[in-house]
Amino acid sequence: LAKTTQPISMDSYEGQEVNITCSHNNIATNDYITWYQQFPSQGPRFIIQGYKTKVTNEVASLFIPADRKSSTLSLPRVSLSDTAVYYCLVGGPNSGGYQKVTFGTGTKLQVIP
Amino acid sequence: DTAVSQTPKYLVTQMGNDKSIKCEQNLGHDTMYWYKQDSKKFLKIMFSYNNKELIINETVPNRFSPKSPDKAHLNLHINSLELGDSAVYFCASSNPPVGVAQYFGPGTRLTVL
Repeated sequence: LAKTTQPISMDSYEGQEVNITCSHNNIATNDYITWYQQFPSQGPRFIIQGYKTKVTNEVASLFIPADRKSSTLSLPRVSLSDTAVYYCLVGGPNSGGYQKVTFGTGTKLQVIP
Repeated sequence: DTAVSQTPKYLVTQMGNDKSIKCEQNLGHDTMYWYKQDSKKFLKIMFSYNNKELIINETVPNRFSPKSPDKAHLNLHINSLELGDSAVYFCASSNPPVGVAQYFGPGTRLTVL
């Protein structure tokens, strides 16, 4: 399974754009890159997913370079409610063809007023 | 409406006891998962079922036995509980094919005394 490496923590002021980068040097051809957000005492919540290039939704953007060995989650204009742990995952089908993913250590984002 | 629900939310028990955690999803998903999140917040997959069939079984002690009576339910039974089993257990669900998001339940905090 591809291992991921993220910064343990980040601080940002409200209103700023936050970029969290994840390294996944051993990503496999069939692996997708997925980001989740987790608030204290809650389960992880899906944010965004991509395979290559750029993906954007109403919450965030995901930038993936051509070699796919890293990815960057971009959160525009963060607010205090974005304070959470953000997990980068890579995963793809196991031998049976079903999804198998590995969660990394996560990045604890603290948004400061 | 709750998409993925777990019961109980909190579970406090003595070492050596046997306990069960229940999970239900109303999303119509075919695949369900159990994850364990320890005190250091590492989130590790334990099991995955697709249409009541076990498809992922990570290195988990035999004391842990998942059971899927139907594709909307995935229960986790733990025998002879140990102190190290104390953690938050999350249930999740998704639909094939690979690359889709997993939806997590609120978690069950298990404390073994």
